[in-house]
Amino acid sequence: AQSVTQLGSHVSVSEGALVLLRCNYSSSVPPYLFWYVQYPNQGLQLLLKYTSAATLVKGINGFEAEFKKSETSFHLTKPSAHMSDAAEYFCAVSVNDYKLSFGAGTTVTVRA
Amino acid sequence: GAVVSQHPSRVICKSGTSVKIECRSLDFQATTMFWYRQFPKKSLMLMATSNEGSKATYEQGVEKDKFLINHASLTLSTLTVTSAHPEDSSFYICSAQPGHRGQGETQYFGPGTRLLVL
Repeated sequence: AQSVTQLGSHVSVSEGALVLLRCNYSSSVPPYLFWYVQYPNQGLQLLLKYTSAATLVKGINGFEAEFKKSETSFHLTKPSAHMSDAAEYFCAVSVNDYKLSFGAGTTVTVRA
Repeated sequence: GAVVSQHPSRVICKSGTSVKIECRSLDFQATTMFWYRQFPKKSLMLMATSNEGSKATYEQGVEKDKFLINHASLTLSTLTVTSAHPEDSSFYICSAQPGHRGQGETQYFGPGTRLLVL
């Protein structure tokens, strides 16, 4: 079965600083990987997804993620944090079926 | 595009009553919809997969008779929590997948429904 592990349940960054959220996956077959963002009391919004095309995936709001098979990782980055980036971020994996398996989530806070 | 709505956004009910939550895909047809449950500060737990015109597929440990799912059309799925109890209080989120079910297809999520059972 596939799974993802998000390293760090909480990340605090200064406004303008780099945002780095770590996600490692476990899968015996090539995975499809997703990053979603959730604002308080709201559903999830897709940031980006990897579907075996380019290994560097660009998403919305300035986020991007790089698929590294050798490291089984799909870390999410943003060069310069904005106050509006404060939210919960989930990494998810899908393999042979359509189901998503989510990581535990990482809470991002942005300091002024 | 790809907007999913849920209704109601928040509901409070008495223990023993049933509550229905609607999930609608507003601008696309969804052959498959999913229902998740999210506890505070926790990740999403898939409860069931809803397929239009057929019975839902429930994840292990989810009571079929307690969480009734109906997917009557390509744009509407409903989750009914029957005989709700305080432990059913949670944030319920649905998602919908456009087109045919396939690998890597994006799920679009609704805004969620906060259920509080007193």
